[in-house]
Amino acid sequence: GQQLNQSPQSMFIQEGEDVSMNCTSSSIFNTWLWYKQEPGEGPVLLIALYKAGELTSNGRLTAQFGITRKDSFLNISASIPSDVGIYFCAGQGGSNYKLTFGKGTLLTVNP
Amino acid sequence: DAGVIQSPRHEVTEMGQEVTLRCKPISGHNSLFWYRQTMMRGLELLIYFNNNVPIDDSGMPEDRFSAKMPNASFSTLKIQPSEPRDSAVYFCASSGQGYGYTFGSGTRLTVV
Repeated sequence: GQQLNQSPQSMFIQEGEDVSMNCTSSSIFNTWLWYKQEPGEGPVLLIALYKAGELTSNGRLTAQFGITRKDSFLNISASIPSDVGIYFCAGQGGSNYKLTFGKGTLLTVNP
Repeated sequence: DAGVIQSPRHEVTEMGQEVTLRCKPISGHNSLFWYRQTMMRGLELLIYFNNNVPIDDSGMPEDRFSAKMPNASFSTLKIQPSEPRDSAVYFCASSGQGYGYTFGSGTRLTVV
């Protein structure tokens, strides 16, 4: 089946630093999604990308849909303590309803 | 909008007992998904319903797992009999016309 490789697995940064994480796949996806999960909660959708090459921002978050349709990255600028959590990428292919999730990136922000 | 509502939030049960997890999707969403999350395997899709009909249950681990959606506002995931390896966080998610799912807060299941 489809698999997503998400990296890094974890990050420890200082408040104010920028963060970058990415996902790659051996398969083509038509939609890329980025979710954030906080302790004790379900994943929450941050950004959705629908077209190859698309660059989308949501506040301090910026994500891009790779030209090859096999990768995506998420950047967080000027990190703050509340950015702490696990960030997941997810890909959706064609008319297939199924979302394939990466294993997540655990982000820790030191004040 | 109350979001996707799951109950219970936590469940501790003894091996061999029956466990029933419940989900109320967002009103108007026609797709419902059950996921299981563990450290080792991440988020795994167990089953997908569209318009209350099970479309894909290939992710259901074994016959001990069953899921139903009797109407558009309610779904259950049942494990009978439960085993310690079933311990995980179980998420329900729903989706409407757009892409992306809305997840519930999950049920943390511990089987001892």
